[in-house]
Amino acid sequence: QSALTQPASVSGSPGQSITISCAGTSSDVGSYNLVSWYQQHPGKAPKLMIYEVTKRPSGVSNRFSGSKSGNTASLTISGLQGEDEADYYCCSYAGSNTLVFGGGTRLTVL
Amino acid sequence: QLQLQESGPGLVKPSETLSLTCTVSGGSISSSTYYWGWIRQPPRGLEWIGNIYYGGGTHCNPSLKSRVTILVDTSKNQFSLKLTSVTAADTAVYYCARYRFFSDSSGYHYSLFDSWGQGTLVTVSS
Repeated sequence: QSALTQPASVSGSPGQSITISCAGTSSDVGSYNLVSWYQQHPGKAPKLMIYEVTKRPSGVSNRFSGSKSGNTASLTISGLQGEDEADYYCCSYAGSNTLVFGGGTRLTVL
Repeated sequence: QLQLQESGPGLVKPSETLSLTCTVSGGSISSSTYYWGWIRQPPRGLEWIGNIYYGGGTHCNPSLKSRVTILVDTSKNQFSLKLTSVTAADTAVYYCARYRFFSDSSGYHYSLFDSWGQGTLVTVSS
């Protein structure tokens, strides 16, 4: 069970859109529509932003959206704002009641 | 409002056992809707350690399974983590969290951590 692969960093200017990828395998991301995304600001606990690939919990801005193609899931943030600067982690169900996280992506708002 | 709070020693010696407790308030740990999990964070990255159901059933990361014990105490609304034979590689911030997962004839649903504790730093050093 290997960690999901995310880019170490991405950046964008206010108002722009960015996409963070999360590459897995046919045993995790590719087999289940159970990818979730978490936002983490420095010194804080992670916060759920997306679940079941595309669903947003109540209270999460509709600027955040998720998608999946094959073994790769993606998180898109549109209309970038300064408060979006944070670390982002994907997580996938990997079968047999196990979970695997990604290595994390640091988003910088220029 | 649900709150989770980790507690335990912040320093553990190599080869000894790391022990943490998570106290749940504002909700019952005996809810049939949820599991309760442990996740850790080395300097960067998140690693799932394992989950437990209020009935005591557990699921653990295969890479840690031989060293991990997760228990639940419904009378105290708490669950706990024990990690044996620790090394410096186990130094991390440890989080407890509420996990929602459901499976039925139509498939699997949710698989999300929707409430987290603030985290507690555990350092392994002599």
